[in-house]
Amino acid sequence: QVQLVQSGAEVKKPGSSVKVSCEASGGTFSRNAITWVRQAPGQGLEWMGGIIPIFGTANYAQKFQGRVKITADESTSTAYMDLSSLRSEDTAVYYCARAGGDYRSGWYYFDYWGQGTLVTVSS
Amino acid sequence: QSVLTQPPSVSGAPGQRVTISCTGSSSNIGADYDVHWYQQLPGTAPKLLIYGNNNRPSGVPDRFSGSKSGTSASLAITGLQAEDEADYYCQSYDSSLSGSIFGGGTKLTVL
Repeated sequence: QVQLVQSGAEVKKPGSSVKVSCEASGGTFSRNAITWVRQAPGQGLEWMGGIIPIFGTANYAQKFQGRVKITADESTSTAYMDLSSLRSEDTAVYYCARAGGDYRSGWYYFDYWGQGTLVTVSS
Repeated sequence: QSVLTQPPSVSGAPGQRVTISCTGSSSNIGADYDVHWYQQLPGTAPKLLIYGNNNRPSGVPDRFSGSKSGTSASLAITGLQAEDEADYYCQSYDSSLSGSIFGGGTKLTVL
């Protein structure tokens, strides 16, 4: 059974950066994409980007291009999401989710989710 | 404004059938990309409910079913139960955006 365990809640100042981790167990970490989805308070789900660890190259939603960096460490089965230039609108719960299906072609879904990490941006 | 459009809310009495629509366009659902559905209970992470338009992961009751036609998809829930009260999201891929997209979510209330 695949499990994704994320790092704990963070409080950040506007303009700073945050790095959230997602450690996977079970399954085959390297070959399945790990993606990041966020949810602002009372709002819907928003896909940010993802990475297939064995290839190492991430892709990002246009909205976050230049501000987010997703990486993966195969040796520890851990993925990371680094978001910079934080503003109050980035206050949200950030989820990592494994992609089932074929990530590179667009026919994929999110079959396993982390527990979520609350990032609060406040001065 | 979400790329996929869902009704903000639906409701039904226990035992009834409800449907939730998800409307897209020619660059996502209409381009033959699959639609997937998630259930999110309050304070928890989303859970995969339907994948590949109409497939249920192991453990999901057959009261839940999905369909897709043209640029739209639907989630149907039969035999409504109190525990079904949750937010439901559709998800697909958009070729113009080169990424995954979600609907805005639908809150299901069991009366």
